[in-house]
Amino acid sequence: GQNIDQPTEMTATEGAIVQINCTYQTSGFNGLFWYQQHAGEAPTFLSYNVLDGLEEKGRFSSFLSRSKGYSYLLLKELQMKDSASYLCALNSGGYQKVTFGTGTKLQVIP
Amino acid sequence: GAGVSQSPRYKVAKRGQDVALRCDPISGHVSLFWYQQALGQGPEFLTYFQNEAQLDKSGLPSDRFFAERPEGSVSTLKIQRTQQEDSAVYLCASGSRRLAGPYEQYFGPGTRLTVT
Repeated sequence: GQNIDQPTEMTATEGAIVQINCTYQTSGFNGLFWYQQHAGEAPTFLSYNVLDGLEEKGRFSSFLSRSKGYSYLLLKELQMKDSASYLCALNSGGYQKVTFGTGTKLQVIP
Repeated sequence: GAGVSQSPRYKVAKRGQDVALRCDPISGHVSLFWYQQALGQGPEFLTYFQNEAQLDKSGLPSDRFFAERPEGSVSTLKIQRTQQEDSAVYLCASGSRRLAGPYEQYFGPGTRLTVT
């Protein structure tokens, strides 16, 4: 089975940088997703990491260390609209099944 | 272009009623997933289709839950004799193959089911 841990809630200031961590345990690791979910809306895709290292995409970056079972999502130049839940999700095993963590609710304050 | 659509968006059912939730995936997407999301939690996998074949239904919580996708496009999730613990948002996602790795899933807006 899989086990995914991420903080329940975080608060950060507009314009700042925030790092949301995710640790996991799994067998048959294929890759790790990050999704953003605003309250009452569907999750939207942010990133997918297969190999170790940092991938940057605009204000958002995602890092993966497979040996440590660790990932983080880095959000720069925070904006109020970044207030949302951020879901870490594992793809493992033989096919398309994705297992989601409980999500980190980020509140951006002025 | 049209995304994944789900209907109804909200459903209130009395305990014991049967409900049917519909998902219209993005045209041409082979894979379709159903998830259940309780308040404050991440989505929990229910079942997965590739075309009309249901390849994994290991996440369905009981035999009251049934999903079908008879023509490999629209899917219906049916819950019989609803219970209060079935209250949740039911998300549908359709999948597009990435260059490497699994399908990138595009989520619909969800159906919020409340069982009273």
